[in-house]
Amino acid sequence: AAGVIQSPRHLIKEKRETATLKCYPIPRHDTVYWYQQGPGQDPQFLISFYEKMQSDKGSIPDRFSAQQFSDYHSELNMSSLELGDSALYFCASSSTGREWDTEAFFGQGTRLTVV
Amino acid sequence: KNEVEQSPQNLTAQEGEFITINCSYSVGISALHWLQQHPGGGIVSLFMLSSGKKKHGRLIATINIQEKHSSLHITASHPRDSAVYICAVKGNQFYFGTGTSLTVIP
Repeated sequence: AAGVIQSPRHLIKEKRETATLKCYPIPRHDTVYWYQQGPGQDPQFLISFYEKMQSDKGSIPDRFSAQQFSDYHSELNMSSLELGDSALYFCASSSTGREWDTEAFFGQGTRLTVV
Repeated sequence: KNEVEQSPQNLTAQEGEFITINCSYSVGISALHWLQQHPGGGIVSLFMLSSGKKKHGRLIATINIQEKHSSLHITASHPRDSAVYICAVKGNQFYFGTGTSLTVIP
Protein backbone atom coordinates (compact mmCIF):
# COMPACT_ATOMS: atom_id res chain seq x y z
CA ALA A 1 0.00 0.00 0.00
CA ALA A 2 1.19 3.53 -0.72
CA GLY A 3 2.47 5.45 2.27
CA VAL A 4 3.37 9.04 2.99
CA ILE A 5 6.53 9.82 1.07
CA GLN A 6 9.03 12.39 2.21
CA SER A 7 12.05 13.61 0.34
CA PRO A 8 14.86 13.81 0.77
CA ARG A 9 15.41 11.28 3.55
CA HIS A 10 18.61 12.97 4.64
CA LEU A 11 19.89 16.49 4.04
CA ILE A 12 23.02 18.29 5.11
CA LYS A 13 23.14 22.06 4.81
CA GLU A 14 25.43 24.81 6.00
CA LYS A 15 24.37 27.67 8.24
CA ARG A 16 22.47 30.42 6.46
CA GLU A 17 21.60 28.14 3.55
CA THR A 18 18.07 27.26 2.50
CA ALA A 19 16.36 23.89 2.38
CA THR A 20 13.14 22.57 0.89
CA LEU A 21 11.49 19.47 2.30
CA LYS A 22 8.71 17.68 0.47
CA CYS A 23 5.82 15.57 1.69
CA TYR A 24 3.61 13.50 -0.59
CA PRO A 25 0.45 12.38 1.24
CA ILE A 26 -1.57 9.21 0.82
CA PRO A 27 -3.73 9.44 -2.32
CA ARG A 28 -7.08 11.10 -1.57
CA HIS A 29 -5.76 12.61 1.65
CA ASP A 30 -6.43 16.34 1.78
CA THR A 31 -4.67 17.33 5.02
CA VAL A 32 -0.96 17.51 5.77
CA TYR A 33 0.72 18.18 9.12
CA TRP A 34 4.38 19.06 9.64
CA TYR A 35 6.37 18.28 12.79
CA GLN A 36 9.88 18.96 13.98
CA GLN A 37 11.64 16.59 16.35
CA GLY A 38 14.96 17.74 17.75
CA PRO A 39 17.49 15.24 19.15
CA GLY A 40 16.02 13.61 22.24
CA GLN A 41 12.95 15.84 22.13
CA ASP A 42 9.22 15.36 21.60
CA PRO A 43 7.79 16.23 18.21
CA GLN A 44 6.67 19.85 17.91
CA PHE A 45 3.78 20.80 15.66
CA LEU A 46 4.79 23.30 12.99
CA ILE A 47 1.90 23.82 10.61
CA SER A 48 -0.96 22.06 8.85
CA PHE A 49 -2.86 22.44 5.60
CA TYR A 50 -6.33 21.39 4.53
CA GLU A 51 -7.41 21.65 0.91
CA LYS A 52 -4.35 23.75 0.04
CA MET A 53 -5.07 26.32 2.73
CA GLN A 54 -3.23 26.73 6.00
CA SER A 55 -5.49 25.30 8.69
CA ASP A 56 -3.42 25.58 11.85
CA LYS A 57 -0.10 27.04 12.89
CA GLY A 58 2.19 25.91 15.65
CA SER A 59 5.74 26.79 16.59
CA ILE A 60 6.98 27.42 13.06
CA PRO A 61 9.76 30.04 12.90
CA ASP A 62 9.29 33.05 10.66
CA ARG A 63 12.27 31.81 8.64
CA PHE A 64 10.18 28.83 7.58
CA SER A 65 7.26 28.80 5.20
CA ALA A 66 5.13 26.04 3.81
CA GLN A 67 2.42 25.47 1.29
CA GLN A 68 0.23 22.74 -0.09
CA PHE A 69 -0.09 22.36 -3.83
CA SER A 70 -2.95 21.39 -6.12
CA ASP A 71 -1.87 17.74 -6.04
CA TYR A 72 -1.95 17.96 -2.20
CA HIS A 73 1.76 17.50 -1.73
CA SER A 74 3.33 19.97 0.65
CA GLU A 75 6.69 21.69 0.83
CA LEU A 76 8.41 23.14 3.87
CA ASN A 77 10.84 25.90 2.93
CA MET A 78 13.51 26.78 5.44
CA SER A 79 15.77 29.79 5.06
CA SER A 80 18.73 31.22 6.97
CA LEU A 81 19.32 27.82 8.51
CA GLU A 82 20.69 27.68 12.03
CA LEU A 83 22.47 24.89 13.83
CA GLY A 84 19.40 24.50 16.04
CA ASP A 85 17.28 23.61 13.02
CA SER A 86 18.98 20.22 12.90
CA ALA A 87 16.16 17.79 13.52
CA LEU A 88 13.91 15.15 12.07
CA TYR A 89 11.10 16.78 10.11
CA PHE A 90 8.18 14.50 9.48
CA CYS A 91 4.76 14.94 8.04
CA ALA A 92 1.50 13.16 8.45
CA SER A 93 -1.49 13.08 6.14
CA SER A 94 -5.14 12.42 6.76
CA SER A 95 -8.54 12.66 5.18
CA THR A 96 -10.50 15.37 6.98
CA GLY A 97 -13.83 17.03 6.39
CA ARG A 98 -15.71 14.33 8.22
CA GLU A 99 -16.41 13.96 11.92
CA TRP A 100 -14.12 10.97 12.19
CA ASP A 101 -10.90 10.32 10.35
CA THR A 102 -10.72 6.94 8.79
CA GLU A 103 -6.99 6.89 8.49
CA ALA A 104 -3.90 8.96 8.93
CA PHE A 105 -0.37 8.08 8.16
CA PHE A 106 3.09 9.34 9.06
CA GLY A 107 6.05 9.78 6.76
CA GLN A 108 9.43 8.45 7.81
CA GLY A 109 10.82 11.95 7.97
CA THR A 110 13.66 14.02 6.59
CA ARG A 111 16.69 14.20 8.83
CA LEU A 112 18.20 17.66 8.42
CA THR A 113 21.68 18.37 9.69
CA VAL A 114 22.91 21.94 9.67
CA VAL A 115 26.68 22.30 9.91
CA LYS B 1 0.09 20.09 30.70
CA ASN B 2 0.55 17.00 28.58
CA GLU B 3 -2.37 15.93 26.46
CA VAL B 4 -0.84 12.47 26.18
CA GLU B 5 0.83 10.55 28.99
CA GLN B 6 2.80 7.36 28.44
CA SER B 7 4.17 4.85 30.89
CA PRO B 8 6.67 3.60 31.58
CA GLN B 9 9.25 6.07 30.24
CA ASN B 10 11.93 3.40 30.15
CA LEU B 11 11.57 -0.34 30.03
CA THR B 12 14.15 -3.10 30.01
CA ALA B 13 13.04 -6.66 29.35
CA GLN B 14 14.57 -10.06 28.80
CA GLU B 15 14.09 -11.61 25.40
CA GLY B 16 10.83 -13.53 25.29
CA GLU B 17 9.04 -11.43 27.89
CA PHE B 18 5.55 -9.99 27.40
CA ILE B 19 5.66 -6.20 27.32
CA THR B 20 2.94 -3.62 27.90
CA ILE B 21 3.17 0.10 27.24
CA ASN B 22 0.32 2.34 28.33
CA CYS B 23 -1.03 5.59 26.97
CA SER B 24 -3.63 7.91 28.48
CA TYR B 25 -4.95 11.04 26.84
CA SER B 26 -7.09 13.96 27.91
CA VAL B 27 -8.33 15.46 24.62
CA GLY B 28 -11.10 14.41 22.31
CA ILE B 29 -9.68 12.34 19.53
CA SER B 30 -10.67 10.76 16.28
CA ALA B 31 -7.85 8.22 16.28
CA LEU B 32 -4.83 7.04 18.22
CA HIS B 33 -1.54 5.93 16.70
CA TRP B 34 1.28 3.81 17.99
CA LEU B 35 4.59 4.70 16.38
CA GLN B 36 8.04 3.16 16.54
CA GLN B 37 11.29 5.05 16.24
CA HIS B 38 14.77 3.53 16.28
CA PRO B 39 17.71 5.70 17.40
CA GLY B 40 18.53 8.13 14.63
CA GLY B 41 15.73 6.67 12.56
CA GLY B 42 12.46 7.86 11.16
CA ILE B 43 8.90 7.25 12.24
CA VAL B 44 7.25 3.91 11.58
CA SER B 45 3.51 3.62 11.99
CA LEU B 46 2.53 0.47 13.86
CA PHE B 47 -1.18 0.92 14.43
CA MET B 48 -4.02 3.35 14.02
CA LEU B 49 -6.97 2.73 16.34
CA SER B 50 -10.33 4.34 16.80
CA SER B 51 -11.91 1.50 18.75
CA GLY B 52 -11.32 -2.04 19.94
CA LYS B 53 -8.22 -4.02 19.24
CA LYS B 54 -5.75 -4.66 16.43
CA LYS B 55 -3.10 -7.32 16.03
CA HIS B 56 -0.11 -7.46 13.74
CA GLY B 57 2.30 -10.30 14.27
CA ARG B 58 3.58 -10.13 17.84
CA LEU B 59 2.12 -6.67 18.38
CA ILE B 60 -1.32 -6.02 19.82
CA ALA B 61 -2.91 -2.62 20.42
CA THR B 62 -6.09 -1.90 22.31
CA ILE B 63 -8.03 1.24 22.99
CA ASN B 64 -10.80 2.11 25.45
CA ILE B 65 -12.47 5.29 24.21
CA GLN B 66 -14.55 5.76 27.37
CA GLU B 67 -11.50 5.54 29.62
CA LYS B 68 -9.25 7.43 27.15
CA HIS B 69 -6.61 4.78 27.41
CA SER B 70 -4.67 2.56 25.04
CA SER B 71 -2.13 -0.18 25.49
CA LEU B 72 0.52 -1.61 23.20
CA HIS B 73 1.54 -5.19 23.90
CA ILE B 74 4.53 -7.04 22.52
CA THR B 75 4.49 -10.80 22.90
CA ALA B 76 7.69 -12.86 22.89
CA SER B 77 9.85 -9.74 22.81
CA HIS B 78 13.04 -9.76 20.75
CA PRO B 79 16.14 -7.55 20.81
CA ARG B 80 15.11 -6.07 17.46
CA ASP B 81 12.03 -4.66 19.23
CA SER B 82 14.36 -2.27 21.07
CA ALA B 83 13.20 1.20 20.09
CA VAL B 84 11.20 4.16 21.30
CA TYR B 85 7.45 3.62 21.13
CA ILE B 86 5.33 6.74 20.84
CA CYS B 87 1.62 7.18 21.36
CA ALA B 88 0.05 9.93 19.25
CA VAL B 89 -3.57 11.04 19.27
CA LYS B 90 -5.37 12.92 16.54
CA GLY B 91 -7.45 15.89 17.65
CA ASN B 92 -7.32 19.09 15.62
CA GLN B 93 -3.65 18.21 15.29
CA PHE B 94 -1.53 15.35 16.52
CA TYR B 95 -0.45 15.26 20.15
CA PHE B 96 2.45 13.04 21.08
CA GLY B 97 3.41 11.20 24.20
CA THR B 98 7.00 11.48 25.40
CA GLY B 99 7.70 7.94 24.29
CA THR B 100 8.71 4.72 25.98
CA SER B 101 12.28 3.61 25.44
CA LEU B 102 12.32 -0.17 25.26
CA THR B 103 15.47 -2.26 25.51
CA VAL B 104 15.17 -6.01 25.06
CA ILE B 105 18.18 -7.92 26.31
CA PRO B 106 19.14 -11.24 24.69
